[in-house]
Amino acid sequence: DQQVKQNSPSLSVQEGRISILNCDYTNSMFDYFLWYKKYPAEGPTFLISISSIKDKNEDGRFTVFLNKSAKHLSLHIVPSQPGDSAVYFCAASAGRSGGYNKLIFGAGTRLAVHP
Amino acid sequence: NAGVTQTPKFQVLKTGQSMTLQCAQDMNHNSMYWYRQDPGMGLRLIYYSASEGTTDKGEVPNGYNVSRLNKREFSLRLESAAPSQTSVYFCASSERAWGAGGPDTQYFGPGTRLTVL
Repeated sequence: DQQVKQNSPSLSVQEGRISILNCDYTNSMFDYFLWYKKYPAEGPTFLISISSIKDKNEDGRFTVFLNKSAKHLSLHIVPSQPGDSAVYFCAASAGRSGGYNKLIFGAGTRLAVHP
Repeated sequence: NAGVTQTPKFQVLKTGQSMTLQCAQDMNHNSMYWYRQDPGMGLRLIYYSASEGTTDKGEVPNGYNVSRLNKREFSLRLESAAPSQTSVYFCASSERAWGAGGPDTQYFGPGTRLTVL
């Protein structure tokens, strides 16, 4: 049973528009969430994170929103650029119970940004 | 500063063969991890090492063994490879020792693509 779900395997967006990637989780113990970005033939790289005490975290063009009641988070990329084309993984951990290191990953969403 | 390095990049094995995947990090990190990534699934933790000299099972440890050789190196061994172990394997490291409190970013190597025939 997947505790972290990314229901959209792929997303195609035009350059300059907003990309919205979604992630749902089932474990109410999760209190720290991360997004990783992965290019082909490379390892995932950390992009942005959010603690459950917040509902929004912003870093440049990237914003993560957390809706705890719905157990849902989303990553917004504005404006989208061709270099953003990659696979994006959502991950979660139950940090306060000692598990910041134990990440549970979603299956990923492949984002394609086209001119 | 190379970060996390993995060797080999690609490997093809026959069922029953053994091999060791090597991982090294030069960031003086305490924790190290081995994940596998399969199509349609997220990265799943195989084993981790909370600090030098310790190792523990993750979510999918069956068929694997690990060694934390020193603070820098963490190897993953397949004793008798099976087709179900065909996957992409990622090594990662993070600064804190496991459970040492506070968020801890994991840094990943480029991966090893393993095919077992």
